[in-house]
Amino acid sequence: GDSVTQMEGPVTLSEEAFLTINCTYTATGYPSLFWYVQYPGEGLQLLLKATKADDKGSNKGFEATYRKETTSFHLEKGSVQVSDSAVYFCALRTNTGNQFYFGTGTSLTVIP
Amino acid sequence: NAGVTQTPKFQVLKTGQSMTLQCAQDMNHNSMYWYRQDPGMGLRLIYYSASEGTTDKGEVPNGYNVSRLNKREFSLRLESAAPSQTSVYFCASSERLYGYTFGSGTRLTVV
Repeated sequence: GDSVTQMEGPVTLSEEAFLTINCTYTATGYPSLFWYVQYPGEGLQLLLKATKADDKGSNKGFEATYRKETTSFHLEKGSVQVSDSAVYFCALRTNTGNQFYFGTGTSLTVIP
Repeated sequence: NAGVTQTPKFQVLKTGQSMTLQCAQDMNHNSMYWYRQDPGMGLRLIYYSASEGTTDKGEVPNGYNVSRLNKREFSLRLESAAPSQTSVYFCASSERLYGYTFGSGTRLTVV
């Protein structure tokens, strides 16, 4: 079945460090891929998305490229800030259904 | 502001009590969802409603019921709460080509 696997955390980085959070997926057809962010005590917010192969989603300095050949959608940021501390979820939506499939989340803490 | 509104934000129940979690969206979305979030387990789908008048079970439906009251509202009911239902509950809505919009969550504790 369809699924998303993302790297386990927690991840702790110093401010201005480079961030990569790995995400791979299993799906039939051509899913849409998403990254969501959850700040402490809040709901999930859409961070970025890509709807077809080779698309790059970007927002707030974060980027992720839809790689069909490696079934991946890794999240990257060149220089993290303390305010980026949150839990990040990778998700896919199949092109045939109404359901999303979420990864288990990766907790990021950025220290000054 | 447009979005998904959940009530209540916090609730403590005794084992065996019942309650209904309310969710409303004002974005005219067709699909609505209820998830629970537990440490180390990510988000698990409880029930969803692809459109007004339809509901379907998700991954963890046992102990819950839902009602899609109209296009805006989708409620989740716990008939007899159990400690295993202690969790954070999120409602979400979406349109087919777009991502989810989530509510801010209901933190439920069953003692």
